[in-house]
Amino acid sequence: QVQLVQSGSELKKPGASVKVSCKASGYSFTTYAMNWVRQAPGQGLEWMGWINTNTGSPSYAPGFTGRFVFSLDTSVNTAYLQISSLKAEDTAMYYCVRDWGGYCSGGSCHYNNNWFDPWGQGTLVTVSS
Amino acid sequence: SSELTQDPAVSVALGQTVRITCQGDGLRRYYASWYQQKPGQAPVLVIYSKNSRPSGIPDRFSGSSSGNTASLTITGAQAEDEADYYCHCRDSSGNHLLFGGGTKVTVL
Repeated sequence: QVQLVQSGSELKKPGASVKVSCKASGYSFTTYAMNWVRQAPGQGLEWMGWINTNTGSPSYAPGFTGRFVFSLDTSVNTAYLQISSLKAEDTAMYYCVRDWGGYCSGGSCHYNNNWFDPWGQGTLVTVSS
Repeated sequence: SSELTQDPAVSVALGQTVRITCQGDGLRRYYASWYQQKPGQAPVLVIYSKNSRPSGIPDRFSGSSSGNTASLTITGAQAEDEADYYCHCRDSSGNHLLFGGGTKVTVL
């Protein structure tokens, strides 16, 4: 079945970096864009941006530029989220999620809709001294 | 506009009907999708493309849209429908995606 499996919880000190992985299975990894969503404790969902799984080109939502980096390793069907210079306010659950509202092919992604499914199980990143 | 607005909370008696609304300028151009999130779990897509349900989602869930408002209706709410519900759509520019703030549904 189509599934996204994320890496385990992380406890980091302020100023450190973290890299979260998201391994896809059950579908053609490079056909659909991968998105990242943040959820701070007790808060709502926040879209962080997406990555073109054909080219590895990322696009970041406002507020997620600079310290956040999306990347891929298509040889193992895995997407990554790296956060550098961690702050206490980065403490959150981070989700990867496939967007099957369109498709990526020939280097471009074509989306008239955005339907997020499935979601990874989430990776809790805790930043504390 | 760069916001999708939802009521924070709503309650419904067991077996009754509840409608959750989502307002935003982007909804004039794009359909919303809706996600259900239960405590300690990842969100799940329940409605996409205005009123389509993924496999496994009960037909008591339905969606609609008019103007700048999208709605998710649960007809005959069950105890297991108690959850947070989020709408999702592009902003009015079409360049960014947004989530509503979420609506907590309590089934009484």
